[in-house]
Amino acid sequence: GQQLNQSPQSMFIQEGEDVSMNCTSSSIFNTWLWYKQDPGEGPVLLIALYKAGELTSNGRLTAQFGITRKDSFLNISASIPSDVGIYFCAGPLYNAGNNRKLIWGLGTSLAVNP
Amino acid sequence: DAGVTQSPTHLIKTRGQHVTLRCSPISGHKSVSWYQQVLGQGPQFIFQYYEKEERGRGNFPDRFSARQFPNYSSELNVNALLLGDSALYLCASSPIGTGVGYTFGSGTRLTVV
Repeated sequence: GQQLNQSPQSMFIQEGEDVSMNCTSSSIFNTWLWYKQDPGEGPVLLIALYKAGELTSNGRLTAQFGITRKDSFLNISASIPSDVGIYFCAGPLYNAGNNRKLIWGLGTSLAVNP
Repeated sequence: DAGVTQSPTHLIKTRGQHVTLRCSPISGHKSVSWYQQVLGQGPQFIFQYYEKEERGRGNFPDRFSARQFPNYSSELNVNALLLGDSALYLCASSPIGTGVGYTFGSGTRLTVV
């Protein structure tokens, strides 16, 4: 199926470090979404970006919508153990009826060493 | 308020069997989408229903079907199960069929043996 290119695939960091991950696509998206998924749970929306160049923060999380509309990045500052999980980027594609499906990256698995 | 609830949480089926997964959306949400998430990958879109009508279908075989009931709950049915159908099946609900206001359930972990 379709998917976005997300990197890195995994990260192992020390508590307190900053983290950066990004997502690219060959297609233009009008919205970029960043989700976090904990083991045994469904994805939870962290940040939604609606405009090229937009920079949005949610606590220690900051995400940017690339100018080309083909990429986005997510930064986590001062990581803590509860940041552990898999982070996904996603973008919506719309069908003829203006209903949408989400296209997802493969995820970035984050491990934080206390 | 209850979130999106899915049942069962786990189940094991044998190849060739049939399975029905259930989803109850957040109260007031009229759209339900189903996604399949194979271990180590991102979710893949299967179906979207809005106001009891199918509004979108992903690249899945006809063995996969779904429906939405008048109370907006939904079922995902998979016939003739294959080993490759083993995955986490996620349901997401939203107030309308468009937009980004989707809330995901915790999923049903299906194992086909």
